Amino acid sequence: DGGITQSPKYLFRKEGQNVTLSCEQNLNHDAMYWYRQDPGQGLRLIYYSQIVNDFQKGDIAEGYSVSREKKESFPLTVTSAQKNPTAFYLCASSTQDLYEQYFGPGTRLTVT
Amino acid sequence: EDKVVQSPLSLVVHEGDTVTLNCSYEVTNFRSLLWYKQEKKAPTFLFMLTSSGIEKKSGRLSSILDKKELFSILNITATQTGDSAIYLCAVEEQGAQKLVFGQGTRLTINP
Repeated sequence: DGGITQSPKYLFRKEGQNVTLSCEQNLNHDAMYWYRQDPGQGLRLIYYSQIVNDFQKGDIAEGYSVSREKKESFPLTVTSAQKNPTAFYLCASSTQDLYEQYFGPGTRLTVT
Repeated sequence: EDKVVQSPLSLVVHEGDTVTLNCSYEVTNFRSLLWYKQEKKAPTFLFMLTSSGIEKKSGRLSSILDKKELFSILNITATQTGDSAIYLCAVEEQGAQKLVFGQGTRLTINP
């Protein structure tokens, strides 16, 4: 089955701790994306990567970091510098054509 | 700064009604506009629009783009409870390699 997996589905952390969200795809897509979704809001782009070992900041990159060491994997670290990390995080991938992004099931992060 | 604005933000109708969702945008070099449906978690792709005036249709859903007035509409006829979802509009700019999403419209269909 081709697709995107994100783990875990739910994550709870204490304030001040870094946490890493996993995103894996077996669609052979070059591009991968991380979005954040807050209640009543659309998707806001955190980071994206067009190719292995390269990535760009999105609109709300502060307090987050990523790596792209393998084509299939694009983990997102939410650092303690992120002021309001509680949110729903979605990972997506696409071909270089971009027009059809495939989304993972998301991770709901709660920081208390 | 690129901007995508959807309206209404929330809509509640009865089963069988027809609804129209709006998406307006401001981007420097427009390439495409996409509609997604998000029921519980992962958004799923509905339509991609690149040319003005050409309607895209899939069952009871249809969408059209107006590149002169910079907006798109998504129509759903004979709505069903299964149409309840957040509908997201996104715009791609030429060469940007990323999408800009609107806030979404939360559609609720009551039986």
